Amino acid sequence: GAGVSQSPSNKVTEKGKDVELRCDPISGHTALYWYRQSLGQGLEFLIYFQGNSAPDKSGLPSDRFSAERTGGSVSTLTIQRTQQEDSAVYLCASKTDVWGEQYFGPGTRLTVT
Amino acid sequence: LAKTTQPISMDSYEGQEVNITCSHNNIATNDYITWYQQFPSQGPRFIIQGYKTKVTNEVASLFIPADRKSSTLSLPRVSLSDTAVYYCLFPRGANNLFFGTGTRLTVIP
Repeated sequence: GAGVSQSPSNKVTEKGKDVELRCDPISGHTALYWYRQSLGQGLEFLIYFQGNSAPDKSGLPSDRFSAERTGGSVSTLTIQRTQQEDSAVYLCASKTDVWGEQYFGPGTRLTVT
Repeated sequence: LAKTTQPISMDSYEGQEVNITCSHNNIATNDYITWYQQFPSQGPRFIIQGYKTKVTNEVASLFIPADRKSSTLSLPRVSLSDTAVYYCLFPRGANNLFFGTGTRLTVIP
């Protein structure tokens, strides 16, 4: 079946511009996660959705970062006024319930020039 | 925060068994131990999960001692395609997932 998909796969943007990253989770998965991975580093948790609500936004690095999820499905991560330190791979994952395994998408590689 | 400690990197020759040990001193009674594998330019992929003693699937085995303060992922007869980063973590609730830097395994021909 279809896995988690993310778009775009690559994004190059100029410093100061806004970007939107999209995640399509596996159908029926209620939990959705966003992570950031800088080159050679582990994954940094950003935000978690259960349905359309985000009970945990503690990982968002600044108020330039925001995320939403509509219809309990697609999620978008928005980064405003991008900075060079925002360059990373942004990964999305979904799972069926609290204790299930996470299924990851291929990620979006963001490069801020 | 549910943190773990693993070796940063390991090298192994093809065909050998590889054991990667993870320390998790602050594991709670109801925490499961989970391992993920990540290839370059891909998202992590679930490998195995266990609670105590030994768990085996088609890919790996997971050994957990009685005190559960550590766990060992065992990969039998590794091949070049097993070169990846391996993460040990224990999901605590729905949102408390901490991926450290993992162990970078390099399989040598």
